[in-house]
Amino acid sequence: GAVVSQHPSWVICKSGTSVKIECRSLDFQATTMFWYRQFPKQSLMLMATSNEGSKATYEQGVEKDKFLINHASLTLSTLTVTSAHPEDSSFYICSALGLAGRGSPDTQYFGPGTRLTVL
Amino acid sequence: KQEVTQIPAALSVPEGENLVLNCSFTDSAIYNLQWFRQDPGKGLTSLLLIQSSQREQTSGRLNASLDKSSGRSTLYIAASQPGDSATYLCAVLTYGQNFVFGPGTRLSVLP
Repeated sequence: GAVVSQHPSWVICKSGTSVKIECRSLDFQATTMFWYRQFPKQSLMLMATSNEGSKATYEQGVEKDKFLINHASLTLSTLTVTSAHPEDSSFYICSALGLAGRGSPDTQYFGPGTRLTVL
Repeated sequence: KQEVTQIPAALSVPEGENLVLNCSFTDSAIYNLQWFRQDPGKGLTSLLLIQSSQREQTSGRLNASLDKSSGRSTLYIAASQPGDSATYLCAVLTYGQNFVFGPGTRLSVLP
C-alpha cells in the first residue's frame, strides 16, 4: 500500500532552537499533505494544510511564523518548529492525500509521527 | 463546526467478548468516515474507511456502520483479543479535505 514516512521519528532539542520534520510519500505523489499534532490524552488537531507549490493554509490559532511549512515537491513536505519551547512538545503527524501512483485519491495516508520533546 | 465524539472513553473487557464502539458527529456533510487504531507511541493505523454513500464496511473481525443522517457510526469488534488493546479513533473527512477526529476510545482486552 501507499507509504508515508516521517523523519526524524523522535527528537529532543533545547528551548529556543529550531527543528525540521520531514514528511515523504514514498511510492505516490501527493499535492496535498496535512500536519497534525496530538497532545497527551487529547485528540489529533489539524495544524495546517500543505499544498505543493503554494503557501500552506493554517488552522485558526496556529502561528504560521512559528510552524513553517514547505511543500517543495509532490513527495515532500517539511514542518519547521522555530524557536521551540517546552509547550511545543507534542506528537506531530503528517498525512498525504493520494493523487497518483499507489495512493488512492480518496484516502489520506498517515506518517508514523514524530515525537518532539523540547527541554 | 464539525465535532466528533466517541463513547465510551475507555473500555475494559475479557478476551472473547464482542464489543461496540460508538462515534457521533454533528455535521452530516462528510466525505467519508474512518476508524483508526493508535498504539502507544506509534502512528495511526487506518482500519476501515466508509464513504458517505456507503452504510457498512467489513474487514476480518471488524465491522463499521455509518448512519450519516443521524450522525453516527459504530465499530463492532467480534471475538476480541488482547492484541486488540489500543485506542480507537474515528474521524470524519469534511468536504474541505481535512479530518476531524474524535477523542478516542481506549480499549483493554484482558486475557
